[in-house]
Amino acid sequence: DTEVTQTPKHLVMGMTNKKSLKCEQHMGHRAMYWYKQKAKKPPELMFVYSYEKLSINESVPSRFSPECPNSSLLNLHLHALQPEDSALYLCASSQDGVRTETQYFGPGTRLLVL
Amino acid sequence: ELKVEQNPLFLSMQEGKNYTIYCNYSTTSDRLYWYRQDPGKSLESLFVLLSNGAVKQEGRLMASLDTKARLSTLHITAAVHDLSATYFCAVDSQFKGSQGNLIFGKGTKLSVKP
Repeated sequence: DTEVTQTPKHLVMGMTNKKSLKCEQHMGHRAMYWYKQKAKKPPELMFVYSYEKLSINESVPSRFSPECPNSSLLNLHLHALQPEDSALYLCASSQDGVRTETQYFGPGTRLLVL
Repeated sequence: ELKVEQNPLFLSMQEGKNYTIYCNYSTTSDRLYWYRQDPGKSLESLFVLLSNGAVKQEGRLMASLDTKARLSTLHITAAVHDLSATYFCAVDSQFKGSQGNLIFGKGTKLSVKP
């Protein structure tokens, strides 16, 4: 099973809302990632978790708060977002947290902030 | 700072023709990845190139890596419509010497026409 699942597929939220994105994988991978992809742009790394510990935070605003409750699950908590945060949010996982092997991407959550 | 440049950014091909997409990167790296993204979809891993001179082929696509020239190519042979998509190369920046940090090129939007 090489599947990474993400929920919800689509999300519309106001600037005062609090919402969460969820990502799950059952491949036994120990590294999980959040990327942000704006339209017609490449993905940009936001966070990396390795063995459930946050190892990379690419200077992401605090209105994005990642959480890794266990090795299979990754959440991204959203609060007080801005319209410019509207994008496709992709989750990915890879074999381990030391050497990056192939990253397997989920289908993404398309977020619209009004 | 690692920079990854792809060219061309847009490619319109006729079915049956051959073409090459180029990916240049600015600093030393021994891992390069090619991904495909269909409109509105997630990223699908195509190739992982792990050493100088590596060549991998899958169907009508062949990828190669020259780490000395810091160049990877994705060659398309006898293009068919189903290959229409955006192709990204990504380089592992080996951020902080531990976890990888994929830096993506801007992508090449390929359109194959009858």
